[in-house]
Amino acid sequence: DIQMTQSPSTLSASVGDRVTITCRASQTISSWLAWYQQKPGKAPKLLIHDAYNLGSGVPSRFSGSGSGTEFTLTISSLQPDDFATYYCQRYISYPITFGGGTKVDI
Amino acid sequence: MQLVESGGGLVQAGGSLRVSCAASGVVSGFTFSGLWMSWVRQAPGRGLEWVANINQDGTKRYYVDSVKGRFTISRDNAKNSLFLQMDSLRGEDTALYFCARGGTDSSWYWVDWGQGTLVTVSS
Repeated sequence: DIQMTQSPSTLSASVGDRVTITCRASQTISSWLAWYQQKPGKAPKLLIHDAYNLGSGVPSRFSGSGSGTEFTLTISSLQPDDFATYYCQRYISYPITFGGGTKVDI
Repeated sequence: MQLVESGGGLVQAGGSLRVSCAASGVVSGFTFSGLWMSWVRQAPGRGLEWVANINQDGTKRYYVDSVKGRFTISRDNAKNSLFLQMDSLRGEDTALYFCARGGTDSSWYWVDWGQGTLVTVSS
């Protein structure tokens, strides 16, 4: 199975900061990668699919990049609503797998 | 599309439980019967884990290895409902179970999710 490794696992930041989260795949996955935001007690929200395509209604401060085995999620200017946990997820073959998550806190 | 899970609860290890997901609404002109569907779970305080996918007519089903032979995904298109039959439950199956809506060709990533239903397996 293809393993997904996120770093860091926790990130402390302030409003207005530029934040970058990294996701590495154990094998190449082309651009078959999605990013989600999850807040406590809530379902995940799709932010990015196909590595860099912004989900519907997602603010433009979120962006995704990368291909192959290394990917990044960038928040250009962290807003109060962005404090949450972020997950990467690979697809296009089974099993579908997620990274371990990155918690962004104050 | 709105998704509402139900059926979670407390069950003893080795027991069975069936959770359900009721779907309503239309996505790009497609109703429930025209879409792939998925189950994704999250153990308390842990990350997300994909569990199973099913295609529109139920002829294609895929599972994570840890549930193969124990869980069965199914659907009733006439009732706009998705199910997950869970047998031989283990403590590690304790999780919040989300249903999620796929697309017309596959269910690789998910825009619409339910709120989840909690399954607790006691040992």
